[in-house]
Amino acid sequence: RKEVEQDPGPFNVPEGATVAFNCTYSNSASQSFFWYRQDCRKEPKLLMSVYSSGNEDGRFTAQLNRASQYISLLIRDSKLSDSATYLCVVSRTGFQKLVFGTGTRLLVSP
Amino acid sequence: GAVVSQHPSRVICKSGTSVKIECRSLDFQATTMFWYRQFPKQSLMLMATSNEGSKATYEQGVEKDKFLINHASLTLSTLTVTSAHPEDSSFYICSARVLAGGFEETQYFGPGTRLLVL
Repeated sequence: RKEVEQDPGPFNVPEGATVAFNCTYSNSASQSFFWYRQDCRKEPKLLMSVYSSGNEDGRFTAQLNRASQYISLLIRDSKLSDSATYLCVVSRTGFQKLVFGTGTRLLVSP
Repeated sequence: GAVVSQHPSRVICKSGTSVKIECRSLDFQATTMFWYRQFPKQSLMLMATSNEGSKATYEQGVEKDKFLINHASLTLSTLTVTSAHPEDSSFYICSARVLAGGFEETQYFGPGTRLLVL
């Protein structure tokens, strides 16, 4: 079983839609959680960290459920520029060693 | 954010040759750098953790004699793929961990190096 699992998608949504991604992790010792964004043939870029209390950054909301070991990302009012692969990332030791999911691909169409 | 560069951005080489990839932190010092590999439609896999002035720590299944890592300064780490074979063709990405200096604590990734071994 993979340590971090994501639905690969793709999720095809129209502009303005709300879309949610889930991710599950298997290691209960995981301490830190992140969402990264990766554009085609590019490097990953940090989108946001995920905290137990949930956190929001503009149109993006991330939540963590430690009991069920899953993380979610909600994108409201989707933009064409949101089209990318969203990587769920966990770590047992902060930013020292990151474990990446395979990513969920999002396609936002006009 | 902090900037990490990689060189070259892409390389094509013949089987059996060695390829060196450089990873530089441009505006901060990185005591720890990481090397990842990503095959098509797969996740980034950590290959090794590179610590300045000491030996790299390799992940299980990664041959240290094939993937030589040198982190001789606080701004430069190199990965050398020795005697490359077609199965080594992949997207190699480095990252550097930032702890301070006004940057958010995170790993900043370089733009990656596409290696194609013929």
